[in-house]
Amino acid sequence: AQTVTQSQPEMSVQEAETVTLSCTYDTSESDYYLFWYKQPPSRQMILVIRQEAYKQQNATENRFSVNFQKAAKSFSLKISDSQLGDAAMYFCAYRISGGGADGLTFGKGTHLIIQP
Amino acid sequence: EPEVTQTPSHQVTQMGQEVILRCVPISNHLYFYWYRQILGQKVEFLVSFYNNEISEKSEIFDDQFSVERPDGSNFTLKIRSTKLEDSAMYFCASSEWVNTEAFFGQGTRLTVV
Repeated sequence: AQTVTQSQPEMSVQEAETVTLSCTYDTSESDYYLFWYKQPPSRQMILVIRQEAYKQQNATENRFSVNFQKAAKSFSLKISDSQLGDAAMYFCAYRISGGGADGLTFGKGTHLIIQP
Repeated sequence: EPEVTQTPSHQVTQMGQEVILRCVPISNHLYFYWYRQILGQKVEFLVSFYNNEISEKSEIFDDQFSVERPDGSNFTLKIRSTKLEDSAMYFCASSEWVNTEAFFGQGTRLTVV
């Protein structure tokens, strides 16, 4: 079974600084997707960034980027120029590629606090 | 912008009662999902649905759960004979295709008393 581990229950960063959230996963599959979701106090899950395992290039979305290390099964999220609106729970998630509509496997989340 | 809509936002039910959680997926999406998040814990996959039948389900999705698409727009999760441990946030999600982004609704908080 696939597992996703987020070892940082909580992280704090000063506004405008950079923070990196860690995620590791375990799978025997070679083709899969990795995601970072943001869950603000409103509770809705919002996709931040997505990475296909077959792509070597790290995904980037504006201030958000990932460091994908396939051999190490590591998928960290870097948030640059942190803003107050970035405060939320961040979940790393895994999904196998192809086959049926398998669901996402989530980590336990990291609570990100932005200090003004 | 199209969004996934869930109703109600909060449901309180007595233990042993049946409850139906409702979702309206994004209109051109073909895949539908239910997840749950027990307070303070991670989000867990329950079931996926495609072409009017269950595609995948987790071990959590036992005989007390069922899903249905009763018409062209709604997607429901029914929990028969609710238990205290069913108290959780239930999220509906939909995606256009199997490998495209899943959009989540705002969730229904279910409280079983």
